This record gives sequence, C-alpha cells and structure tokens, in this order.
Amino acid sequence: NAGVMQNPRHLVRRRGQEARLRCSPMKGHSHVYWYRQLPEEGLKFMVYLQKENIIDESGMPKERFSAEFPKEGPSILRIQQVVRGDSAAYFCASSLPLAGAYEQYFGPGTRLTVT
Amino acid sequence: AQSVTQLGSHVSVSEGALVLLRCNYSSSVPPYLFWYVQYPNQGLQLLLKYTTGATLVKGINGFEAEFKKSETSFHLTKPSAHMSDAAEYFCAVSDAGTASKLTFGTGTRLQVTL
Repeated sequence: NAGVMQNPRHLVRRRGQEARLRCSPMKGHSHVYWYRQLPEEGLKFMVYLQKENIIDESGMPKERFSAEFPKEGPSILRIQQVVRGDSAAYFCASSLPLAGAYEQYFGPGTRLTVT
Repeated sequence: AQSVTQLGSHVSVSEGALVLLRCNYSSSVPPYLFWYVQYPNQGLQLLLKYTTGATLVKGINGFEAEFKKSETSFHLTKPSAHMSDAAEYFCAVSDAGTASKLTFGTGTRLQVTL
C-alpha cells in the first residue's frame, strides 16, 4: 500500500509566479490535511479537506492561497503570486474516513523555494 | 484554543542513556495526543498516540509515553538511546472524538553521542 504521495518534492519559483503542490492520499483515505513548516519551526495547520469539500480552512492565509480536493485526482494547494516568505516545506497528510481513525499519515513534503 | 509546549529545543544524550522529551499541552478538554518523528528532509512518522484507555502507551522503536491529566503532560521516553534515534520529535494534539487538525509543538531535536 503506497503511502501519501506529494509532488514535486522540490519546487523553485520566482517572486510573482504561481506554485501548485499536489498530494495523493493513501488508498482509501478521503481526508486530506495541509501543513506548512517554516525553517526551524514546527508544522502549522493550513486546511482540512474531504472529497469536494473544505472542512476547516482556519489556517489558510486570506489571500493568494487556495486548496481543493476534487472527486477525482489529487488534492492541490495553490499559491498565487508567491513571495519570499512563502518559502517553506509543505506537508500533506491523510486519514481514513472512519470513526476512531485519528492517525494522520504524512507525505514526504514539497520544499518550495521562492527566489 | 489548544497549544503544545515542548521544553528544550535541543536534547543531547549518550548512546545507551535514557531519552526524555517533554511535552505539555493546554486544552479545555482532554485532547488526543501524538508523538511524531521527522528525519532530515523527510515527512513525519507516527511514533505513538493516546486517545482513550491506558495512559501509558507504547510505540514503535522502543518509545513510550504517559498521559498525565493532572500535569497536562505527555512526555516521551526511551530507556536506551540508539544512534538511529537522532531526529526531530514533535508532540501534537487534536480535538478528541473527531477527525480534526493537529496542533504541533515547536519540536525537539535529539542528538545521540557516542
């Protein structure tokens, strides 16, 4: 059973460009979470999605950031007009849609560098 | 709002020595508690979790943690450190009883010396 897949693993963007990060959850998982890890800091929650629904976006910056998890295909985290402060590691996690299944399984992350 | 405090951003132990990584949480109700480990340039791997039941939980790689409600703590221990334990360790909490976001501490980097 493949784990959580994220791509690309490394992404370099110039200021003002768009960054698109993809996350494929583990098989059978329909809950996806995105977290951001700034250098020398812990992970900060960004958004929680289920298929075609945003459940909790309390950690998402109000501007330039958006996320989706379509019925088919991976979850996408989109950052428009990137700035240097967006440079970070972005992690996706997934969990089962079952009561009592509270573990989140993390992908390897996408390391975004804005130049 | 929930919060997690990890005392000691860096901990150094000798190989074979006891590992103790501290975690205290703040929550209006007892949350679910987790310890994750992160190796360089990798994602997070779940070490162990506490949801309900026995307050002493055992995880992978010989680690265990004890939930102490009165102290709002969930410290991670391992009796004998191994070189391969060198990594960053994160304590996290989530709302009990429902799938929800994790709130992480700032992490503790464990160094193991010969």
